[in-house]
Amino acid sequence: GQNIDQPTEMTATEGAIVQINCTYQTSGFNGLFWYQQHAGEAPTFLSYNVLDGLEEKGRFSSFLSRSKGYSYLLLKELQMKDSASYLCAVRPMNTGFQKLVFGTGTRLLVSP
Amino acid sequence: EAQVTQNPRYLITVTGKKLTVTCSQNMNHEYMSWYRQDPGLGLRQIYYSMNVEVTDKGDVPEGYKVSRKEKRNFPLILESPSPNQTSLYFCASSLNNNYRNTQYFGPGTRLTVL
Repeated sequence: GQNIDQPTEMTATEGAIVQINCTYQTSGFNGLFWYQQHAGEAPTFLSYNVLDGLEEKGRFSSFLSRSKGYSYLLLKELQMKDSASYLCAVRPMNTGFQKLVFGTGTRLLVSP
Repeated sequence: EAQVTQNPRYLITVTGKKLTVTCSQNMNHEYMSWYRQDPGLGLRQIYYSMNVEVTDKGDVPEGYKVSRKEKRNFPLILESPSPNQTSLYFCASSLNNNYRNTQYFGPGTRLTVL
């Protein structure tokens, strides 16, 4: 089976850096996604990691360690519009390449 | 504009009254999927489709049906809705069955079953 853990809620101030962690246990692994979801809206793709290491994309970076079953999303120079839920999703192996298993999400509140 | 659309966006109905939520994508994607999102449970997959006439159960298929007669459309059918199907529903699509492909989500349908 799959088990994905992320903190329920985090707070940070504008301009700061925040790291959102995600740990997972899966039977096989085909990559990990991070999505952003504003309240009441659709999730939108942020990043994809399948190999160990850091992927940087502007203010957002995502890190993966497959041996530790661990990922984090790093948000720099926080802006008010970054207040949203951040969803970690794992693509297990042997269940169909397109299957995604989502964590419950981390709600990030950015204050002035 | 490349997008996934869902209709209706909001629906209040009563127990037992059959309903259909439509999903359409204009990106010629092969793979489509339905999720429901509930507080504290995250997004859970209901059904998915790898291509026309190919569908399979996800993690929570009970009480739902789907069909894929055309590549662009993937309707979700609730034959006899019950209050525990009150939820926020998302349709998603991706290009094909490659593990690197990103899923694109529709805007969501908020369903309330009384």
